[in-house]
Amino acid sequence: AQSVTQLDSQVPVFEEAPVELRCNYSSSVSVYLFWYVQYPNQGLQLLLKYLSGSTLVKGINGFEAEFNKSQTSFHLRKPSVHISDTAEYFCAVSEGGTSGSRLTFGEGTQLTVNP
Amino acid sequence: GAVVSQHPSWVICKSGTSVKIECRSLDFQATTMFWYRQFPKQSLMLMATSNEGSKATYEQGVEKDKFLINHASLTLSTLTVTSAHPEDSSFYICSALDPLSTDTQYFGPGTRLTVL
Repeated sequence: AQSVTQLDSQVPVFEEAPVELRCNYSSSVSVYLFWYVQYPNQGLQLLLKYLSGSTLVKGINGFEAEFNKSQTSFHLRKPSVHISDTAEYFCAVSEGGTSGSRLTFGEGTQLTVNP
Repeated sequence: GAVVSQHPSWVICKSGTSVKIECRSLDFQATTMFWYRQFPKQSLMLMATSNEGSKATYEQGVEKDKFLINHASLTLSTLTVTSAHPEDSSFYICSALDPLSTDTQYFGPGTRLTVL
């Protein structure tokens, strides 16, 4: 079984500051890792994903994440945030190499960017 | 990118009635779609996996007779909440698996259901 832990339920930051949203996972098999963003009353939008290859993954809106197998982490980072980045962020994992496998989500991190 | 739509975006119904929610993949064919439920300020809870042409697979604790899922084509899955009650009020989100995008699920915008 897989599980995902997002270590911070809320992260307040000031505009133009850097931010890191932490995600740890546990799994007995290889995994695919995802970060999604959800704006109020909307569905989820894919930010980035790690399937294989380079452990540093770049996504949309200036976000990037680094897969660390030894620490079983997939932290999301952005060097300079904007007000518009205020949203809920979800880390998710699926069983790698299994077509159509289910996503297991973390509890989410609310990022609030203040002026 | 892959686009998934849901209809309606919000619905209000009386207790005891049934409500149908549609999920469509607009620019790709999805043999597998997923239905999630999300309570306020919580994460997504997987309800069921919908496979085109076969019966849906429900997660433990989800009543299959209450949440009817039909995946009649490669671009459409429907969720029908039968005999809805106030406790069924929630945000329902579907996703579709793009087979050309290696296990990546693309999500619809969600449907807000309020049962009075």
